[in-house]
Amino acid sequence: AQSVAQPEDQVNVAEGNPLTVKCTYSVSGNPYLFWYVQYPNRGLQFLLKYITGDNLVKGSYGFEAEFNKSQTSFHLKKPSALVSDSALYFCAVRREGGSARQLTFGSGTQLTVLP
Amino acid sequence: DAGVTQSPTHLIKTRGQQVTLRCSPKSGHDTVSWYQQALGQGPQFIFQYYEEEERQRGNFPDRFSGHQFPNYSSELNVNALLLGDSALYLCASRTQLTGEGTEAFFGQGTRLTVV
Repeated sequence: AQSVAQPEDQVNVAEGNPLTVKCTYSVSGNPYLFWYVQYPNRGLQFLLKYITGDNLVKGSYGFEAEFNKSQTSFHLKKPSALVSDSALYFCAVRREGGSARQLTFGSGTQLTVLP
Repeated sequence: DAGVTQSPTHLIKTRGQQVTLRCSPKSGHDTVSWYQQALGQGPQFIFQYYEEEERQRGNFPDRFSGHQFPNYSSELNVNALLLGDSALYLCASRTQLTGEGTEAFFGQGTRLTVV
């Protein structure tokens, strides 16, 4: 079985400050990890992924995420938040290989960037 | 390049009715997955289609069925609708050609309301 936990339902940060959205995962074997963002009444938009290699991955709109295997975490970060970053963020995992083809999502974190 | 397109965007059905949702994958994609996103929750995997066959299924009853056509487009059918089926239904597509780690692209979703 695979699962994702996003421990914070809501994260508030001031514009210009760094932001972190937390994600931990559980999967047997090697994980493929993804971050998606959802704006109101819209589908999910891909931000970045970790497959293998460098633990720090860079994605769209200045976002990056750090894979930590020992802590089974994949936190999303951005050095300087923008008001336009306010949205719902989802972390997702899929197991490498095997029969598990689906993405398993966390419950989401609502990010609000205050002007 | 058109992304993943879903139709309709919204619909309202009566309890006990049947509904069909449609999805056209992103150009070049051959694999389609369907997800249900209830209000305030993360997307839940329904099933995945590849080569016109259902390849994997999540924990959803047989009232949920699907189909993939030779042009890779897909339909999701839900019979005997329940109030609890009210949700945003998301279609996601990806290609198998670039490996397991390829990210999925999501459509804007179909908002289904059962009354």
